[in-house]
Formats: sequence, structure tokens, C-alpha cells
Amino acid sequence: QQPVQSPQAVILREGEDAVINCSSSKALYSVHWYRQKHGEAPVFLMILLKGGEQKGHEKISASFNEKKQQSSLYLTASQLSYSGTYFCGTDPGGATNKLIFGTGTLLAVQP
Amino acid sequence: EPEVTQTPSHQVTQMGQEVILRCVPISNHLYFYWYRQILGQKVEFLVSFYNNEISEKSEIFDDQFSVERPDGSNFTLKIRSTKLEDSAMYFCASAGQGLSGYTFGSGTRLTVV
Repeated sequence: QQPVQSPQAVILREGEDAVINCSSSKALYSVHWYRQKHGEAPVFLMILLKGGEQKGHEKISASFNEKKQQSSLYLTASQLSYSGTYFCGTDPGGATNKLIFGTGTLLAVQP
Repeated sequence: EPEVTQTPSHQVTQMGQEVILRCVPISNHLYFYWYRQILGQKVEFLVSFYNNEISEKSEIFDDQFSVERPDGSNFTLKIRSTKLEDSAMYFCASAGQGLSGYTFGSGTRLTVV
């Protein structure tokens, strides 16, 4: 039931790009993306809704393939501040807006 | 920027003791959640709360857990008889309507000894 993310970890140099994938076995209404720095709370980045509507971050983009129940997060021209663990959160729909968080992807950006 | 506030930031308790974790969600948010995270690993759903009642709970959220919103602002998680495996970071989160992500509190690190 937990969404699976890939890769598990990635190391980048500043300025490089990365793609993080999230795959669910269940039909989804929306996908959220969060970044968590060590010892801190997850911070909201993006939300993508079934039907294409989205709201998020100015330097980070994402896609949502409803048929495949997959989402990808695109980080371009990475900065040191992008380092952290990225989690997708999937919402199958319903009144509670409950999210099931993915397995996480650890991103390390080096100078 | 509105914040979700959690207290205490750290709690050490003896096995079998009761603990209450407190949260003040963002005032105009309608949906409230508790999640836990063990050793920086996966973020696990415990319970959601809407319209002054539990709307959904996970298998983890058994009879030893309870939630309350006693005064319209605070949102508490009570663990009646703590076990060693309850040691984790507990996060409160709240969300508004529409295209709204969760806002998480800074968490309470619970250590059961």
C-alpha cells in the first residue's frame, strides 16, 4: 500500500538536475511532494490533482500520470538547499484527505 | 507564515506510563492529522480528525491511542500505556480546503525507556 519511490538515494553536484519517481498500487486523486531536512518536519512543495491542476514551488516541477498512478518530481539546477529526503504523499480520494507517504528519496547536493 | 505548534519537543517516559502530546494547528484549517516517524524512516499515518471527530485511523492507532480537540484550538494525542516500540517522532499536521498541502509541526520526539 505504501507508494514506492525511486531512486532511494541520489548524489548531485550543484547545478545538476534530478528526477524522483513515486509509484502507487492504488488509484489516486492527488499526489503531494514534501522535503524533509534532517531533524526537521516535512515541508510542503507541490500538490498535483487528478485532472491536471497543480500548485507548488517556483523552481520545482512535477508530473502526475493518473492512468499509471505515478508521479515524478523534477529538480532543475539543484542548489545546496535542495538536500534532504523527499517524500511523495498519495491521496486516493475521500473525505479525510489522508496521505500515505512513500518510501522516501535521500538527495544530497554537493558543491 | 502561520505555523503548527507542537509541545513538548522532547519527552522521555517510562514504559507503561501515559503521555499526552499537544498540537496547536493553524486556526482556519479544518483537517488535522497525527503521523509518526521512526528513526527518520517512513512517515506513518496514525489518525485524521475532521469536524470534531475521528474521520479515519490506521491499524497502528489501537485502543491505547486517543485524540481530542478539547477547546477548539488544541489537538492532543494521548498514549495510555506506552511501549518501547512507541518511541518515535510524532508529527501533527493540519490542512485547509482546496489545493492545500499539509503544514506539519516541528514534532515531539518520544523516547520510551
